[in-house]
Amino acid sequence: DQQVKQNSPSLSVQEGRISILNCDYTNSMFDYFLWYKKYPAEGPTFLISISSIKDKNEDGRFTVFLNKSAKHLSLHIVPSQPGDSAVYFCAALNDYKLSFGAGTTVTVRA
Amino acid sequence: DGGITQSPKYLFRKEGQNVTLSCEQNLNHDAMYWYRQDPGQGLRLIYYSQIVNDFQKGDIAEGYSVSREKKESFPLTVTSAQKNPTAFYLCASTNTVGTEAFFGQGTRLTVV
Repeated sequence: DQQVKQNSPSLSVQEGRISILNCDYTNSMFDYFLWYKKYPAEGPTFLISISSIKDKNEDGRFTVFLNKSAKHLSLHIVPSQPGDSAVYFCAALNDYKLSFGAGTTVTVRA
Repeated sequence: DGGITQSPKYLFRKEGQNVTLSCEQNLNHDAMYWYRQDPGQGLRLIYYSQIVNDFQKGDIAEGYSVSREKKESFPLTVTSAQKNPTAFYLCASTNTVGTEAFFGQGTRLTVV
C-alpha cells in the first residue's frame, strides 16, 4: 500500500516560470518530509526537507509547503531553470522508515 | 572523501542464482537502506537497518536478505526466490531521524 503518492507523473514548465510539484500521504505518523532530485542511472540527491511541526521551509529557489490537515505537501521551484529537468521524489519518514513516492518528471522548456 | 559506495555498477546474473550487492559508507551513519527502482516507478523500500545487528523489512522484502554486521556495511542478497530481480538498486544511509539520506550511485542488476 503506497503511503506516499505523487499523482502527477510529469510536469512541463517554461523556463523562468514556477514549477509546483505535489505529494499526498496517508500515514499521519510521518514526522519528516523530504524532496529529492534524480537523474537517470544515478542516486537521488537531497533538495529540501520540512519537519511536521512546520508549514513552510525555504532554501533559495526551493520552497516546501506542508498542510498536515490535508496530508499534503508541495515543492515550489522559482524560477525554473533548464538544469531543473529531472525526476523529483517526495519522501516521508516515520521513525527510521523512509518511504518514497513514485516521482514526477519535470521538463523545463527553453 | 566521505560517501556511500555501491558496487558493482552493473551486474548480470543467471536465473536461479543468488547475487550479493555491496554497499559501504564511511559517513559514520547509523541507519542504512536498500531500495529498488523499476522503469517509470518510484523507489520501493526493501530493507532498512537502524543500527548494527538489527534490520527491518521494508515494503517488498520477499526474495531478498540483508545483514548488518558492521556499521559501515549493509550488503543485499537477491535470492533465486525473487521473481523479478532485474532492476536498479539503490543504497542509502542517514545519521539521525530527520536528516537527509545520502544515496549511492546504484547497481543495475540484469537477469540473463
